[in-house]
Amino acid sequence: KQEVTQIPAALSVPEGENLVLNCSFTDSAIYNLQWFRQDPGKGLTSLLLIQSSQREQTSGRLNASLDKSSGRSTLYIAASQPGDSATYLCAARGSSNTGKLIFGQGTTLQVKP
Amino acid sequence: SAVISQKPSRDICQRGTSLTIQCQVDSQVTMMFWYRQQPGQSLTLIATANQGSEATYESGFVIDKFPISRPNLTFSTLTVSNMSPEDSSIYLCSGRHPSSYNEQFFGPGTRLTVL
Repeated sequence: KQEVTQIPAALSVPEGENLVLNCSFTDSAIYNLQWFRQDPGKGLTSLLLIQSSQREQTSGRLNASLDKSSGRSTLYIAASQPGDSATYLCAARGSSNTGKLIFGQGTTLQVKP
Repeated sequence: SAVISQKPSRDICQRGTSLTIQCQVDSQVTMMFWYRQQPGQSLTLIATANQGSEATYESGFVIDKFPISRPNLTFSTLTVSNMSPEDSSIYLCSGRHPSSYNEQFFGPGTRLTVL
């Protein structure tokens, strides 16, 4: 059974700092992995999707990496801004096109001005 | 990408009543899902909404409590039946888009409070 863990649960950094959020998964046979952002009381916004055959994906100041062999993914945020404050969730999809997304508990990020 | 809308965005309901949540996608999606997010928790999958047939429920969720319909490729409803305060959660609709590497998108959620 796939389990997804995110560390740390909460993080507070000053504006401008580069930071890394961690995600680990127990079953390396994944189809893909997605990173989401959730603002308080809102739905999820998809940030990056990494296919199982890929090592990383980039979008603006965000870079996500995937290492299937070690069961890890990281989300790198460069030059953080107060607007980046939110909860970040990673989710691993099972090993087929119809597999389910299994979510981690999330990392709540606060970027202080 | 796909844009997903949900109605209502929030509601306050009395114990024992039922609420139906609507989910509309702006394009056809291969799969649709319903999730629950309890306060301070991550997302839990309730069921996969299958077009034209009965939904596939996850362990711990049953059709009598959470009936789901999906009449076509862009619309689904979730009903929360015979509600109790423990049903107070955010309910999120999600769709998987076939032309975007099967990326999964989410609606804005329905915040339900049961008194």
